[in-house]
Amino acid sequence: DTGVSQDPRHKITKRGQNVTFRCDPISEHNRLYWYRQTLGQGPEFLTYFQNEAQLEKSRLLSDRFSAERPKGSFSTLEIQRTEQGDSAMYLCASSFPGQGYNEQFFGPGTRLTVL
Amino acid sequence: DQQVKQNSPSLSVQEGRISILNCDYTNSMFDYFLWYKKYPAEGPTFLISISSIKDKNEDGRFTVFLNKSAKHLSLHIVPSQPGDSAVYFCAATYRGNNDMRFGAGTRLTVKP
Repeated sequence: DTGVSQDPRHKITKRGQNVTFRCDPISEHNRLYWYRQTLGQGPEFLTYFQNEAQLEKSRLLSDRFSAERPKGSFSTLEIQRTEQGDSAMYLCASSFPGQGYNEQFFGPGTRLTVL
Repeated sequence: DQQVKQNSPSLSVQEGRISILNCDYTNSMFDYFLWYKKYPAEGPTFLISISSIKDKNEDGRFTVFLNKSAKHLSLHIVPSQPGDSAVYFCAATYRGNNDMRFGAGTRLTVKP
């Protein structure tokens, strides 16, 4: 399977704990995006990497959130001191400039539940 | 600040008939629009897109229409098939921007 993969698929944690999610993009894609999706809503942009550089962050990305893409391949999204409002589906997507305007390929997502 | 709106949360059609999903946007800077389809437990899958220099783009059973003056686009699926049952998201962006804005989605159910 050469699509975007995310791990874990589900995470249940207690309020106040830290969690980390991983995303492996399609191998030749140099752009990587993180989105958050809550029930009944579409995905909301969180942040964007081109290779290892984090070029854009949404105001939705509070100080408790940090994302990295150390070698320009996989990326991690960490949430510190989780709150119940962080419960959502976290989606990763990747794209390659040669594939058009901004066609992004999404992974299956990590569903986070904060108790 | 919801710049992309899908006002119909759900739509039900009979197999073989046409499905029409609608999307409105408010940001005049948007010049590229995409439709994604999402099945349960999967991420959104790209379906079809349209640039603002066009008013129609067709791919098999799927056609997207863009009305720039009305800031409105629609996705037509004809004929509809039960396998088309999914949530459809409209998305919009513009050149140089990496922040793609999504609508809330429309759940399409195609009945056999």
